[in-house]
Amino acid sequence: LAKTTQPISMDSYEGQEVNITCSHNNIATNDYITWYQQFPSQGPRFIIQGYKTKVTNEVASLFIPADRKSSTLSLPRVSLSDTAVYYCLVGAETGGFKTIFGAGTRLFVKA
Amino acid sequence: NAGVTQTPKFQVLKTGQSMTLQCAQDMNHNSMYWYRQDPGMGLRLIYYSASEGTTDKGEVPNGYNVSRLNKREFSLRLESAAPSQTSVYFCASRSLAGASNTGELFFGEGSRLTVL
Repeated sequence: LAKTTQPISMDSYEGQEVNITCSHNNIATNDYITWYQQFPSQGPRFIIQGYKTKVTNEVASLFIPADRKSSTLSLPRVSLSDTAVYYCLVGAETGGFKTIFGAGTRLFVKA
Repeated sequence: NAGVTQTPKFQVLKTGQSMTLQCAQDMNHNSMYWYRQDPGMGLRLIYYSASEGTTDKGEVPNGYNVSRLNKREFSLRLESAAPSQTSVYFCASRSLAGASNTGELFFGEGSRLTVL
């Protein structure tokens, strides 16, 4: 299983763009990179997933360099409601595999 | 569509008591998972079931047992509860990734367990 490293916490202000980087040096060829968001007292929810280059959806963008040893989750113009813990996971999204969450990155958005 | 349903949502136990956390999903997912989350910490995998009829240990299986009753249901049992098992327990499920889905995990609302 690919180990991931993320910053423990980050602070931002409303309206700013936030970039959270995840390192995964031993990512395997068939591994995908998936990000989840967790609000207090709730289970995590899927944000975005990618394999290479850039992926964008209505919530975030995911940038993956050619060597795939890191990835960056980009949240455009954050609001107070984006205060949450963000988890980066790396693995083969084929179902049934041992899905491990790390400590995640605690993002605190201030007014 | 209920998704992943956990019961009970809250439970208080005394040390040494036993209990079972129930989890059911109505999305026809193959794989199911149990995690625990201590205050201020990330999720830790207790057990998972890749498919009906199989279960495997996760990161922190000691003190727990699981049963994949059928494709829909995956229960977690504490045979002799200890204060160290005070935590929030999350059940999750996922399908196989394919052209139309990412194989993402879907989580229940959590079960808050306190062991005195």
